[in-house]
Amino acid sequence: DAMVIQNPRYQVTQFGKPVTLSCSQTLNHNVMYWYQQKSSQAPKLLFHYYDKDFNNEADTPDNFQSRRPNTSFCFLDIRSPGLGDAAMYLCATSNSGQPQHFGDGTRLSIL
Amino acid sequence: KQEVTQIPAALSVPEGENLVLNCSFTDSAIYNLQWFRQDPGKGLTSLLLIQSSQREQTSGRLNASLDKSSGRSTLYIAASQPGDSATYLCAVRPGNTPLVFGKGTRLSVIA
Repeated sequence: DAMVIQNPRYQVTQFGKPVTLSCSQTLNHNVMYWYQQKSSQAPKLLFHYYDKDFNNEADTPDNFQSRRPNTSFCFLDIRSPGLGDAAMYLCATSNSGQPQHFGDGTRLSIL
Repeated sequence: KQEVTQIPAALSVPEGENLVLNCSFTDSAIYNLQWFRQDPGKGLTSLLLIQSSQREQTSGRLNASLDKSSGRSTLYIAASQPGDSATYLCAVRPGNTPLVFGKGTRLSVIA
């Protein structure tokens, strides 16, 4: 029944080693979002896709990239993770102006 | 710049009590407001969405109100249960742009 699926649930990577997080959806929503959430903090929007149009938040580090090869899938690439990038990464989807549906997140740890 | 504040940051109540969580936002020009629940280590679950033209929404034991002019929303939980223990996040949509989240209120309901 899961409608927004994030894999893996837990990811461990080494300092500076590229890592990719994935998100898929069965809702056929046209908007997909990536958020970063640190402990006791609000989710922070990194970027979102409106269909194929990519929208980057002004303060998202250059280290973070995203790909959306089709409606169902969206990827978050972190090119050279630093210790400060350890966080929960949340994917969400919606149709324009409609409620967002979130996945369970991927918790990223950096060694 | 829209800012969302949630007070208190944490709340502990005995089972059976009715309670109110507060959310305030700085810019009253919003498209809608959404309340989410987040369990530890999980993603966000949408509870209620209030459009800017609405005053309140109800779902089961939950009732959310919106006063746009004063920049406030409340989430009322009736007859609280231990299963209601979670972090509750408020988010506003400032026009046709992504959500802006508060940091949440961590609720503990004690049996």
